[in-house]
Amino acid sequence: DVKVTQSSRYLVKRTGEKVFLECVQDMDHENMFWYRQDPGLGLRLIYFSYDVKMKEKGDIPEGYSVSREKKERFSLILESASTNQTSMYLCASSFTYANRGEQFFGPGTRLTVL
Amino acid sequence: LAKTTQPISMDSYEGQEVNITCSHNNIATNDYITWYQQFPSQGPRFIIQGYKTKVTNEVASLFIPADRKSSTLSLPRVSLSDTAVYYCLVGFDGGATNKLIFGTGTLLAVQP
Repeated sequence: DVKVTQSSRYLVKRTGEKVFLECVQDMDHENMFWYRQDPGLGLRLIYFSYDVKMKEKGDIPEGYSVSREKKERFSLILESASTNQTSMYLCASSFTYANRGEQFFGPGTRLTVL
Repeated sequence: LAKTTQPISMDSYEGQEVNITCSHNNIATNDYITWYQQFPSQGPRFIIQGYKTKVTNEVASLFIPADRKSSTLSLPRVSLSDTAVYYCLVGFDGGATNKLIFGTGTLLAVQP
């Protein structure tokens, strides 16, 4: 079974802090994704990466950056956290770009910014 | 305008067949349609994927008409454990690469 793990299930940070969310997948998948999920808005794509050191902006990249130095790891960075970034953050991976619709998700990190 | 539309919620009883439809008028010609299930406090889980006509696996069927402007997830004989939120994921033409967009989800409530 594909396993996607996220570094924390719950996280509380203060406004202005730099926040790192880590995601690791163990199935040698090429693509990795970061989403945020908010009530009534569904899942919105922040960034995705189709290869090491490659990234593309999703629908809502403002206020976020990402890093993919190794194939199995994809990090989401909030440079200066703000209260409107309080949300559930979900990481996912898929085998290839052609099959990127079949994604495997981690359990999510619920981030609260005070 | 790239957009997917799903009903916000549906109610059903155990043993019934449930059909959830997603509308996606501007779907990209070369992308699949994928459906996910999500339970509270968990990430979404892949259910089924198709390109056209009908696809069936051990848990669901997916019906896609010829114009591909909508798709219907069919869950046969639902049980209480099928209570969850169901999302469609569709690709839209984004120029160099297609954009994948999730629907806003349908909360299915199954009652005894």
